[in-house]
Amino acid sequence: QQQVKQSPQSLIVQKGGISIINCAYENTAFDYFPWYQQFPGKGPALLIAIRPDVSEKKEGRFTISFNKSAKQFSLHIMDSQPGDSATYFCAASKGYQLIWGAGTKLIIKP
Amino acid sequence: DTAVSQTPKYLVTQMGNDKSIKCEQNLGHDTMYWYKQDSKKFLKIMFSYNNKELIINETVPNRFSPKSPDKAHLNLHINSLELGDSAVYFCASSQKLNTEAFFGQGTRLTVV
Repeated sequence: QQQVKQSPQSLIVQKGGISIINCAYENTAFDYFPWYQQFPGKGPALLIAIRPDVSEKKEGRFTISFNKSAKQFSLHIMDSQPGDSATYFCAASKGYQLIWGAGTKLIIKP
Repeated sequence: DTAVSQTPKYLVTQMGNDKSIKCEQNLGHDTMYWYKQDSKKFLKIMFSYNNKELIINETVPNRFSPKSPDKAHLNLHINSLELGDSAVYFCASSQKLNTEAFFGQGTRLTVV
C-alpha cells in the first residue's frame, strides 16, 4: 500500500530525444506527487510537482502526466539535453507520509 | 546564502564512535527532515520535525537521535557507529508538509 514503483532504473537517451520515467503508486489517499532531480554530489531539488485534480502539468521542457484511475504518473523531458543527465526521483505523499521511488539514472548522450 | 546547510560535508570515523551532523535552514520553514541515501541512491526518510515536534520517526536504530533546539536547526546524533551506517545523510526543510522540500548538500559518512 505504501510503495511507489519507479521505472526504469536507468535510461539512456540521445540528445534531442524524449526521456520518459514512470511511477506507480498504490495508496489512493496520496495527494501530492513531486519529481526531484539530483546531480552527483548534490541534494535532490524539486523539478516539478502535481496534485491529482489535474491530469497534466508542464513547465518548460518538463511535463508530468497523471492518470488517477491507473494510479500512475510519469515525467516527460522533451528535447533532452546533456545537462539533464541526473538521477530523478518520483514521490507521493499524504499528510505526514512521503514515499519515494527508487530513482532513475538518466544519461543523455551528445 | 545557503538555504539549508549541513556540516560537516564529509565525516570519516571508526566503528563504535559517536558523531553528530548539524543542520540549519534560513528559509523560515516549519518542517525539517533527515534522510539517508545509500550506495544505490535509494532515499529513506528517517525523521521529520514540525515546529520542533517529532512527527515522523521511521524504523531506524535508536542509536540515531535527532535534536531540534529551535525551528531553524535539526541535528542528528549517532551513537556507536556501525559499518552499515556509511551513507550520505541529507537534511531538508519545507514550509509545511506536502510542499517543496529544500535539501542540504549532504554529509557523506564513512565508518571504517
